[in-house]
Amino acid sequence: GQQLNQSPQSMFIQEGEDVSMNCTSSSIFNTWLWYKQDPGEGPVLLIALYKAGELTSNGRLTAQFGTTRKDSFLNISASIPSDVGIYFCAGPNMEYGNKLVFGAGTILRVKS
Amino acid sequence: DAGVIQSPRHEVTEMGQEVTLRCKPISGHNSLFWYRQTMMRGLELLIYFNNNVPIDDSGMPEDRFSAKMPNASFSTLKIQPSEPRDSAVYFCASSLFGGYTFGSGTRLTVV
Repeated sequence: GQQLNQSPQSMFIQEGEDVSMNCTSSSIFNTWLWYKQDPGEGPVLLIALYKAGELTSNGRLTAQFGTTRKDSFLNISASIPSDVGIYFCAGPNMEYGNKLVFGAGTILRVKS
Repeated sequence: DAGVIQSPRHEVTEMGQEVTLRCKPISGHNSLFWYRQTMMRGLELLIYFNNNVPIDDSGMPEDRFSAKMPNASFSTLKIQPSEPRDSAVYFCASSLFGGYTFGSGTRLTVV
């Protein structure tokens, strides 16, 4: 089936630093979604990408849909303590009626 | 809108007991999903409904798990009998056009 591989698994960075994480797949995705999960809460959608090559920003967050449609990345600029959480990439599994598959997540910790 | 509402937030039960988790999706959303999250396996889709009809339950671990959606505003996930390995956070999510909205989850501990 379609699997999403996220890297890095975790990051421990200094407040103010930029963060970059990515997601790859051996299969083509037509949509890439990036979610953030705060401790004790459910994942919340940050950015949705629908077109190959698309670059979309949401505040300090920027995400891109790779041109091969097999990867995506998420950047966070000037990190702050509330950026702490788990970041998931996700995409619809076309083999199974477009139900979402999730990557394993990138755990982000920020030192202030 | 209050978002996706799950109850209870926390459940501690003894092995062998029946557990029922509840979900109220966002009004107007036509798809509902039950996920389980563990450290080892991440987020796993258990079952999803479209217009109240179960479409794919291939993720349900075994016969001890069952889910129902009697109407567009309510769904349950039942585990009977529960086992310690069922301990996890269970999320419900609803969707209209692909963007999933998750509830805050139910943290289940089976002792």
